[in-house]
Amino acid sequence: DTGVSQDPRHKITKRGQNVTFRCDPISEHNRLYWYRQTLGQGPEFLTYFQNEAQLEKSRLLSDRFSAERPKGSFSTLEIQRTEQGDSAMYLCASSPVSGTQETQYFGPGTRLLVL
Amino acid sequence: GENVEQHPSTLSVQEGDSAVIKCTYSDSASNYFPWYKQELGKRPQLIIDIRSNVGEKKDQRIAVTLNKTAKHFSLHITETQPEDSAVYFCAAGYQKVTFGTGTKLQVIP
Repeated sequence: DTGVSQDPRHKITKRGQNVTFRCDPISEHNRLYWYRQTLGQGPEFLTYFQNEAQLEKSRLLSDRFSAERPKGSFSTLEIQRTEQGDSAMYLCASSPVSGTQETQYFGPGTRLLVL
Repeated sequence: GENVEQHPSTLSVQEGDSAVIKCTYSDSASNYFPWYKQELGKRPQLIIDIRSNVGEKKDQRIAVTLNKTAKHFSLHITETQPEDSAVYFCAAGYQKVTFGTGTKLQVIP
């Protein structure tokens, strides 16, 4: 399967614990995006990378959230000191880079439940 | 930043009828407008997209129109089928996209 993959697919954690999610983009895609989606809402932008550089981070994103893409390939999203409000689907997407915005292809998501 | 509004939030149509979903955006710099379909428990899947240098694009039963002056764009699905039932999201942006809140489409057999 050459699509975007995410791991784990589901995560249940207790409030206050740290969690880390991984995203593997389509291999030739330079851009990688993280989104959060709650029930009944559209994906909400969190951050995105071009290669290893983090180009933008949502102002809504708490400093408990951090993302990395150290070698410009896979990316990790870490949430520290999780809260119940962090429960959501975390989606990763990737796209190639050209002169204009290219199609984003989504992974299957990681569903997080914070108890 | 960009703000995307999407209407209606729910839409029920009889099989074979047409469905129209409308979106407005706020940032005149936005030049890319994709539409995604999301079935329950699955990832968003791109169904069609349009760029600002094009006013209309069609792919079989799906078409999208864009009015940059008015900052609105629409999705048209003709001859709807039960398998079209899903949540549809519009999005708009430049370097990144902002999503609308979604339209739950139900096609009644």
